[in-house]
Amino acid sequence: SYVLTQPPSVSVAPGKTARITCGGNNIGSKSVHWYQQKPGQAPVLVIYYDSDRPSGIPERFSGSNSGNTATLTISRVEAGDEADYYCQVWDSSSDPVVFGGGTKLTVL
Amino acid sequence: QVQLVQSGAEVKKPGASVKVSCKASGYTFTSYGISWVRQAPGQGLEWMGWISAYNGNTNYAQKLQGRVTMTTDTSTSTAYMELRSLRSDDTAVYYCARPVGATTDNWFDPWGQGTLVTVSS
Repeated sequence: SYVLTQPPSVSVAPGKTARITCGGNNIGSKSVHWYQQKPGQAPVLVIYYDSDRPSGIPERFSGSNSGNTATLTISRVEAGDEADYYCQVWDSSSDPVVFGGGTKLTVL
Repeated sequence: QVQLVQSGAEVKKPGASVKVSCKASGYTFTSYGISWVRQAPGQGLEWMGWISAYNGNTNYAQKLQGRVTMTTDTSTSTAYMELRSLRSDDTAVYYCARPVGATTDNWFDPWGQGTLVTVSS
């Protein structure tokens, strides 16, 4: 089955740029979707189709995907961005929905 | 607005069954499926399966085959997930979510608020 690898944690100072990676074999050939999950809350979609933003998601959130790595970039990080972030892809295997292990973003 | 509202928390003994509901509103229920995702305490997201609200077709995660059943009631726009032979490692928050996008490339938006299922003797 397909495996997505995320760093367990990323730390960034307010106002700086956070980059959260999601690694997978030739992930650039797949579409990657990203979710934000704050403590005690359900996940919220922040990026779909590698780089598209749902309505209501700030432009500070952007995504890219190439080769073996997809990246969620959060510009001008705010305290309210502190959360767990998960990447997700669709795979042709028997269990088609695959999530990364999640990355905890800490705003210093 | 599109919304998924789930049933309340459950406490079950090992070996028992649990059935969680997910009521949809704000869209045509039969135009989308419903997926179920669970999250054990302090852990990541685990996809459990999917059901078409149009025709009832299902696709379950391999590790849950034989223990999980997903159904829908189109008259009330409600999806259900039943998990049988509960074990302690089934303790988790269970989410329903609406798959969006192409048939073979879904993402999930929105999600229900989650239902905590605790399995304990």
